[in-house]
Amino acid sequence: AQTVTQSQPEMSVQEAETVTLSCTYDTSESDYYLFWYKQPPSRQMILVIRQEAYKQQNATENRFSVNFQKAAKSFSLKISDSQLGDAAMYFCAYRRGGGAQKLVFGQGTRLTINP
Amino acid sequence: DTGVSQDPRHKITKRGQNVTFRCDPISEHNRLYWYRQTLGQGPEFLTYFQNEAQLEKSRLLSDRFSAERPKGSFSTLEIQRTEQGDSAMYLCASSSPTSGRAYEQFFGPGTRLTVL
Repeated sequence: AQTVTQSQPEMSVQEAETVTLSCTYDTSESDYYLFWYKQPPSRQMILVIRQEAYKQQNATENRFSVNFQKAAKSFSLKISDSQLGDAAMYFCAYRRGGGAQKLVFGQGTRLTINP
Repeated sequence: DTGVSQDPRHKITKRGQNVTFRCDPISEHNRLYWYRQTLGQGPEFLTYFQNEAQLEKSRLLSDRFSAERPKGSFSTLEIQRTEQGDSAMYLCASSSPTSGRAYEQFFGPGTRLTVL
């Protein structure tokens, strides 16, 4: 079975600084996707960024970028120029490729932004 | 496109009672997922529908749980004889294989269940 592990229950960063959230996963599949989802307090979960396993290039979305190390099964999220609105729970998630597939989530990392 | 909606947002019930939650996916999304999220944890998959067909069920979905999507639009999740361990946030998500973002599941705000 696929598993996703986030080893940092909580992280904090100063506003405008850079922070990196860690995620490791385990799978025997070759076709899969990895995601970072953001869940603000009392608000719904939204997709931050995705990475296809077959792509070597790391995904980037504005201030958010990933470091995808396929051999090490590592998928970290870097948030640059942190803003107060970035404060949230961040979940790393895995999905097998092909058709509709369930998401397997990590335990989450609570990110606090200090003004 | 009004997003995924869930009703009710909060439900408090006594142990042993039955509860039913509703999820309305984004219109024309034919895939619908239910997840359960306990406090401080990531969501866990419960079940998934493609149109009206329930194609996968987690072992977490005991025989007290039943989900339906009768016309391939909204879905209901019923829990019979609730237990305190059922207290959690129940999340619904939807996706469409024909959209430009087929990989993405769009989540609703969730229904928070408290069993006393």
